Amino acid sequence: IAGITQAPTSQILAAGRRMTLRCTQDMRHNAMYWYRQDLGLGLRLIHYSNTAGTTGKGEVPDGYSVSRANTDDFPLTLASAVPSQTSVYFCASSERTGGTDTQYFGPGTRLTVL
Amino acid sequence: GQNIDQPTEMTATEGAIVQINCTYQTSGFNGLFWYQQHAGEAPTFLSYNVLDGLEEKGRFSSFLSRSKGYSYLLLKELQMKDSASYLCAVLDSNYQLIWGAGTKLIIKP
Repeated sequence: IAGITQAPTSQILAAGRRMTLRCTQDMRHNAMYWYRQDLGLGLRLIHYSNTAGTTGKGEVPDGYSVSRANTDDFPLTLASAVPSQTSVYFCASSERTGGTDTQYFGPGTRLTVL
Repeated sequence: GQNIDQPTEMTATEGAIVQINCTYQTSGFNGLFWYQQHAGEAPTFLSYNVLDGLEEKGRFSSFLSRSKGYSYLLLKELQMKDSASYLCAVLDSNYQLIWGAGTKLIIKP
């Protein structure tokens, strides 16, 4: 089934630990995105990639890093987790052809940092 | 700064009609999206408007006025499964999506 997968579904992490959230899409979309969603706030963009080999910073990039080695995968790494990074993380992708550019979302990863 | 405003919560009755408003102030405009998000799930695409006017898609319609920085999502013949959050988002001049906080819609029988 075509779409976006994320792993893990949920995770409890000790502060200071390193964590990588995985995201894979099979739609051959050019662009991929990482968002965090917190109660009462809109989705906030962490990092994005317009095409394989390139990445950019979003609204809230501090404490996070990404890589885009190929079209399908876009992992998000927390180098040293802090409690304020407790959130639901969504990966998304879009064709990025200059048209409607609808973003399609993965199921999310619920991360708790203690 | 960039800002998207929508009501935090709305309540409506099954079978009725509800209108969810969204106002925006962004640096540039390349279209407005509405997404639906059920609790604990991912957002899913509902509609996209880039020109002024009404776009109808089954029970859902979306309206845009670029001069007023205003959009609404109209849901007709409400069903219990329409209970969800509805997210308004604007594609700005850098082709970044700016998201509102969402409107939680509660449907009562």
